[in-house]
Amino acid sequence: GAVVSQHPSRVICKSGTSVKIECRSLDFQATTMFWYRQFPKKSLMLMATSNEGSKATYEQGVEKDKFLINHASLTLSTLTVTSAHPEDSSFYICSAGPGQRSSPLHFGNGTRLTVT
Amino acid sequence: AQKITQTQPGMFVQEKEAVTLDCTYDTSDPSYGLFWYKQPSSGEMIFLIYQGSYDQQNATEGRYSLNFQKARKSANLVISASQLGDSAMYFCAMREGEWGNKLVFGAGTILRVKS
Repeated sequence: GAVVSQHPSRVICKSGTSVKIECRSLDFQATTMFWYRQFPKKSLMLMATSNEGSKATYEQGVEKDKFLINHASLTLSTLTVTSAHPEDSSFYICSAGPGQRSSPLHFGNGTRLTVT
Repeated sequence: AQKITQTQPGMFVQEKEAVTLDCTYDTSDPSYGLFWYKQPSSGEMIFLIYQGSYDQQNATEGRYSLNFQKARKSANLVISASQLGDSAMYFCAMREGEWGNKLVFGAGTILRVKS
């Protein structure tokens, strides 16, 4: 079945540094990928839609200069958290799908970011 | 406005019994898809079942079935013969439009299966 790979699964960084998270679709091409953020015991909140070959579409309230998204190929999207602060600590998870009507979105295993 | 509503923050069920997790949705788009995902404590999102707005029959996948009541805009998940491994967070989600991939999630329901 369709698989989405996300890396790293865990990262700890210091305040002020940047962190890059990768999301790859392993057996299908994805013109769009989605980045979600999840707080403990809460729902997934869509941050942005990553568009291959063009700018990402950010949801209202998401700082595009803080969360840089690049979708350089049909199988790879990256999320870079720039100048990270402790309040950026969270669980980030990406998703993508083959684009067929009844196909589910497949999710990466998520990245737990801790900013110290 | 909330598009997906899950009114049960937490549920308990006895092992081997059936449980229903509620989900209501709101959309004016005639074409949409409804999904249920399971999220264990490890954090991965596991796809369980899908129901399309034009599907005539309720979806079933093994022990999972979806009670789709279109007029009431509800899409409840029924898990039969609960197992200890079913303990997890469950999310209902909706995709609007025929081909769009963006999902909107409900708040989730934490299910605990008791032995």
